[in-house]
Amino acid sequence: GQNIDQPTEMTATEGAIVQINCTYQTSGFNGLFWYQQHAGEAPTFLSYNVLDGLEEKGRFSSFLSRSKGYSYLLLKELQMKDSASYLCASMDSNYQLIWGAGTKLIIKP
Amino acid sequence: GAVVSQHPSWVICKSGTSVKIECRSLDFQATTMFWYRQFPKQSLMLMATSNEGSKATYEQGVEKDKFLINHASLTLSTLTVTSAHPEDSSFYICSAIEREVLEQFFGPGTRLTVL
Repeated sequence: GQNIDQPTEMTATEGAIVQINCTYQTSGFNGLFWYQQHAGEAPTFLSYNVLDGLEEKGRFSSFLSRSKGYSYLLLKELQMKDSASYLCASMDSNYQLIWGAGTKLIIKP
Repeated sequence: GAVVSQHPSWVICKSGTSVKIECRSLDFQATTMFWYRQFPKQSLMLMATSNEGSKATYEQGVEKDKFLINHASLTLSTLTVTSAHPEDSSFYICSAIEREVLEQFFGPGTRLTVL
């Protein structure tokens, strides 16, 4: 079957680093997305990985290992505004998205 | 977890025709459903918010006469793209807010290609 898992909630301190993990089982894998969603707003695209490795984009980096069905989103130099839900979603062979439940990230001063 | 389905998952149509996309919450009642469109590797763009039994609220720049939304029950919302044109080709995603716990769940998306 198709499945995607990520932690429900994480807490981190301002200025620190946090890694949000996502594991997936997707038939005909076509890439993995990370989105940020603030309460009451539409999700914002953060990254798309389809090849193995790390992609860095400013304070945010995303990693993918297709053999392990594993991805993570790494947030550095955390700011209070990074408090949000982070959604991972894999795309299958039919270009359908399988969504994770989202990880609520709480940043403390 | 709660499941949101969309039908069809993929549709190809001719320019000028209308296409209806269904969004269903399979195991929960959704007070509110959202419709988004997404272009490749871009953020989801909110098109409209749909509350059961009332008219949808459209975001600025979204034509309400072109994108007809009907939210007839607590488990079903439909988006009809009327007189579709090639520029309407996109990935349409719905989401639903579960009534009891106020969590948002996303559908798998519908890929629309207008020839």
